[in-house]
Amino acid sequence: SQTIHQWPATLVQPVGSPLSLECTVEGTSNPNLYWYRQAAGRGLQLLFYSVGIGQISSEVPQNLSASRPQDRQFILSSKKLLLSDSGFYLCAWSSAGEAFFGQGTRLTVV
Amino acid sequence: GENVEQHPSTLSVQEGDSAVIKCTYSDSASNYFPWYKQELGKRPQLIIDIRSNVGEKKDQRIAVTLNKTAKHFSLHITETQPEDSAVYFCAASLDNYGQNFVFGPGTRLSVLP
Repeated sequence: SQTIHQWPATLVQPVGSPLSLECTVEGTSNPNLYWYRQAAGRGLQLLFYSVGIGQISSEVPQNLSASRPQDRQFILSSKKLLLSDSGFYLCAWSSAGEAFFGQGTRLTVV
Repeated sequence: GENVEQHPSTLSVQEGDSAVIKCTYSDSASNYFPWYKQELGKRPQLIIDIRSNVGEKKDQRIAVTLNKTAKHFSLHITETQPEDSAVYFCAASLDNYGQNFVFGPGTRLSVLP
């Protein structure tokens, strides 16, 4: 069966520090991969999606970037975090339409 | 691109009553419509979905209806229970490789005992 791993679960980072969140998928090949952000009490905002290695589409201009160095690995990064980057970050993968989410990372920028 | 609207944004019902959440979408090519439930601090999880070749689907107390002509779909929860309290998201997507999901803004459902 397919599983998705996302880490860390929680993270507190100072303003201006770098960020790296990692997501890996097991049990499937060539999945579509997504990064979403969810501000407190708000909906799911699509940040990036990827249909293959090295192929990244950005949905909104922002302080973040994404990379897909391997088929089942998706990384969300920032060189310098802003206070507004705080939120709940969710990685997801999809196949045949259905999407499955990782456990999420709660990022607090202080 | 696709745009999904969802109403209401908050919904409170008494335990045992029914709850209905409605979504509309803009892209007539969308053909897959899932619903996700997100409990506080947890990941969204798929609870039911419907594809465009079906008008209604039911799973125990949960049902989803789809009107492709009007481009709207709804989630129905009957005999609500306190554990149904959560945020519910609808989504629309093209069931093709490489297409991403567009989620509605979510509905916070509170089931009052």
